[in-house]
Amino acid sequence: AQSVTQLDSQVPVFEEAPVELRCNYSSSVSVYLFWYVQYPNQGLQLLLKYLSGSTLVESINGFEAEFNKSQTSFHLRKPSVHISDTAEYFCAVSNRDDKIIFGKGTRLHILP
Amino acid sequence: NAGVTQTPKFRVLKTGQSMTLLCAQDMNHEYMYWYRQDPGMGLRLIHYSVGEGTTAKGEVPDGYNVSRLKKQNFLLGLESAAPSQTSVYFCASSYRVEAFFGQGTRLTVV
Repeated sequence: AQSVTQLDSQVPVFEEAPVELRCNYSSSVSVYLFWYVQYPNQGLQLLLKYLSGSTLVESINGFEAEFNKSQTSFHLRKPSVHISDTAEYFCAVSNRDDKIIFGKGTRLHILP
Repeated sequence: NAGVTQTPKFRVLKTGQSMTLLCAQDMNHEYMYWYRQDPGMGLRLIHYSVGEGTTAKGEVPDGYNVSRLKKQNFLLGLESAAPSQTSVYFCASSYRVEAFFGQGTRLTVV
């Protein structure tokens, strides 16, 4: 069975500092990996995804994630965060013909 | 396009009452899901459907039933609501991979 582990429930970081949100997954088959973002009082939105090809994927707002098959990880990074990045971030895993499973989420707190 | 629409957005129930949450999508997606979100628990899958007329149990199916009579609709039912079902419920649909979410239904059971 697939599972996702987000190692940090909350991450505080100063504005303009770099951040890494960690995600590890387990699956016995090839996977698709996702990061979703949830802003306060809203639903989830797709931030970026890995389906195949280049292991480094980027979002339009400066986030990137790298698929590491040997470490079964898909960590999310941003070199310089802004106050508008305050949100909860969810890592998710799926394979081609199966359901999507989410991690427990990581709250990103941006400190002024 | 409306995307994924959930009805209602808020509801307060008394213990033992029943209700149905409606999810409608206009993207012709095969897969639909119901999740519940609780503080510190992330998103937990209740039930899902891989196509019209099919349903399957997720991680936390007890106390809920679902139906997918039409491809565009996925209904979540609570036959006898309990305080433990107080939560925010999210519906999503997907075509193979990327999921699209509704805005959520905040349900309180008193």
